[in-house]
Amino acid sequence: GAGVSQSPSNKVTEKGKDVELRCDPISGHTALYWYRQRLGQGLEFLIYFQGNSAPDKSGLPSDRFSAERTGESVSTLTIQRTQQEDSAVYLCASSLGYSGSFNEQYFGPGTRLTVT
Amino acid sequence: AQTVTQSQPEMSVQEAETVTLSCTYDTSESDYYLFWYKQPPSRQMILVIRQEAYKQQNATENRFSVNFQKAAKSFSLKISDSQLGDAAMYFCAYRSVQGAQKLVFGQGTRLTINP
Repeated sequence: GAGVSQSPSNKVTEKGKDVELRCDPISGHTALYWYRQRLGQGLEFLIYFQGNSAPDKSGLPSDRFSAERTGESVSTLTIQRTQQEDSAVYLCASSLGYSGSFNEQYFGPGTRLTVT
Repeated sequence: AQTVTQSQPEMSVQEAETVTLSCTYDTSESDYYLFWYKQPPSRQMILVIRQEAYKQQNATENRFSVNFQKAAKSFSLKISDSQLGDAAMYFCAYRSVQGAQKLVFGQGTRLTINP
């Protein structure tokens, strides 16, 4: 079946502009995660959705970052007034989302954001 | 908060040889999951192997196995009979069993396979 998809694959934007990154999870996956990966670094957690609620937003680095999810489907990560430090690969993952059980997170291919 | 440390930024191995990647973590929890992910240049994160902390037996998946030392908070990955396709970034990750569902990642180890 189809995996997690993300769009766009690459995005170049000017400093100060707003950007929207999209994630389409695997059908039936109730949990959705956003991570950020700076060049040469590990992944940093940003936000977790269970359905369309976000019980864990602890990783969002500033109020310029926000995310929403429609039902148990598409999620959008929005970065307002982008800064050069926002340049990174943004990865989305989804899972069946049952707490207390192993449920593998399946990752999308990521969106590479470059802020010039 | 949990932390994961990979102390080897880069490793290399001859094709068909064995290599071990190191990972240590810090947690006050008694039950948790540990993972090794592979990230090739395509950026796609691929789960290689997982370990549940309550299981003493080390996980094995074909040529990949782990050495899980709970008391030492160590979780190393052994790749046997290395193949050119194993070349990638490898990330160690931690997840709580209850509560927070996020993965906590180490900084990664870049593995090069020499033909």
